[in-house]
Amino acid sequence: GNSVTQMEGPVTLSEEAFLTINCTYTATGYPSLFWYVQYPGEGLQLLLKATKADDKGSNKGFEATYRKETTSFHLEKGSVQVSDSAVYFCALSVRIKAAGNKLTFGGGTRVLVKP
Amino acid sequence: NAGVTQTPKFRVLKTGQSMTLLCAQDMNHEYMYWYRQDPGMGLRLIHYSVGEGTTAKGEVPDGYNVSRLKKQNFLLGLESAAPSQTSVYFCASSYLPLGSEAFFGQGTRLTVV
Repeated sequence: GNSVTQMEGPVTLSEEAFLTINCTYTATGYPSLFWYVQYPGEGLQLLLKATKADDKGSNKGFEATYRKETTSFHLEKGSVQVSDSAVYFCALSVRIKAAGNKLTFGGGTRVLVKP
Repeated sequence: NAGVTQTPKFRVLKTGQSMTLLCAQDMNHEYMYWYRQDPGMGLRLIHYSVGEGTTAKGEVPDGYNVSRLKKQNFLLGLESAAPSQTSVYFCASSYLPLGSEAFFGQGTRLTVV
């Protein structure tokens, strides 16, 4: 079956530090890959996505590249801010006929950025 | 834009009680999903629907039932709540094409005592 593994947190950083959150996956077929972010007390929001190998998703200074050879989709940001404190989820979807775009999530990584 | 709206936002139930969580979306999405979020386990799919009048089981369906009588609404029911169902529940919806993002509601925090 499909699965997503991401590094456990919490990750504590100082403002302007470099952030990397590792994510690897196993999937049947050709998945689309996503990073979702959950700010305190809120639902999940799409941060970025990539739909095929070697695609790079980017948004709000975050980037992730779809690496098929290593089955990875690591999230990076060069200079984090306090406002980036949140829980980050890596996820994949493999569209199956009549089954929709079900998402499979990793366990989430809590990131805390200190001033 | 309202997006995906869940009601209620918080609820405390006693073991054995029943309740229904309501999800409503105004984006005309075909697909809707119910997930539960537990610490360290990410989100796990309970049930989903690929269109009005259809439902299907997800990864952890036991103890839950769903209905999709109208395209914009997806209801999650607990017939006899158990402490193991204490969780945060999220509803989501999406378009059909592969790679479409899912839009999430704000969540319902349910505690079963």
